[in-house]
Amino acid sequence: GESVGLHLPTLSVQEGDNSIINCAYSNSASDYFIWYKQESGKGPQFIIDIRSNMDKRQGQRVTVLLNKTVKHLSLQIAATQPGDSAVYFCAEGGSGTYKYIFGTGTRLKVLA
Amino acid sequence: KAGVTQTPRYLIKTRGQQVTLSCSPISGHRSVSWYQQTPGQGLQFLFEYFSETQRNKGNFPGRFSGRQFSNSRSEMNVSTLELGDSALYLCASSPSGTGSHEQYFGPGTRLTVT
Repeated sequence: GESVGLHLPTLSVQEGDNSIINCAYSNSASDYFIWYKQESGKGPQFIIDIRSNMDKRQGQRVTVLLNKTVKHLSLQIAATQPGDSAVYFCAEGGSGTYKYIFGTGTRLKVLA
Repeated sequence: KAGVTQTPRYLIKTRGQQVTLSCSPISGHRSVSWYQQTPGQGLQFLFEYFSETQRNKGNFPGRFSGRQFSNSRSEMNVSTLELGDSALYLCASSPSGTGSHEQYFGPGTRLTVT
């Protein structure tokens, strides 16, 4: 079942290229930031997180960058694959809580 | 380990009715959070429960309530349903106390109010 907005910003990327998804967050006091991936009909899936005392964190094929000066978060996906097609959300929250504020989401389309 | 399960997966109700949704967290997880997802408002935090206590609450009217049982299973209730309550309701569980902020989401319950 369709579970996300129909009019999300869309990023179309050629298979094998790198993808960069951006997010502006709202609360300068947020301590924790997470990127989620949501495929159609499924709940969001954790990708990677970063604490506010870090600027960069790397995972498997993904890198998250945090710029606290301009309250900006980005997710870089290396060598994008068809299975990466999904909606990506950033979320911000405070330490010691699971109350997260989610961004509006970006739809990533991988072109073969 | 089994993932987060939510029941029912789909539900159709009429305005004015009330509904109860259920969530079973991953075994050993003590924190359960609920979110509402709509095309217009996106993902919005409803509330979080930990050890049977509501630890955080979002900006939703009192018609939305929840509870958590001693086995960490959680239910949320919406009374006097309105058309605008039509949404995907997501439950997420977290181990808590480990320093990780990772949340594991269930597939959601799709509620349609007619």
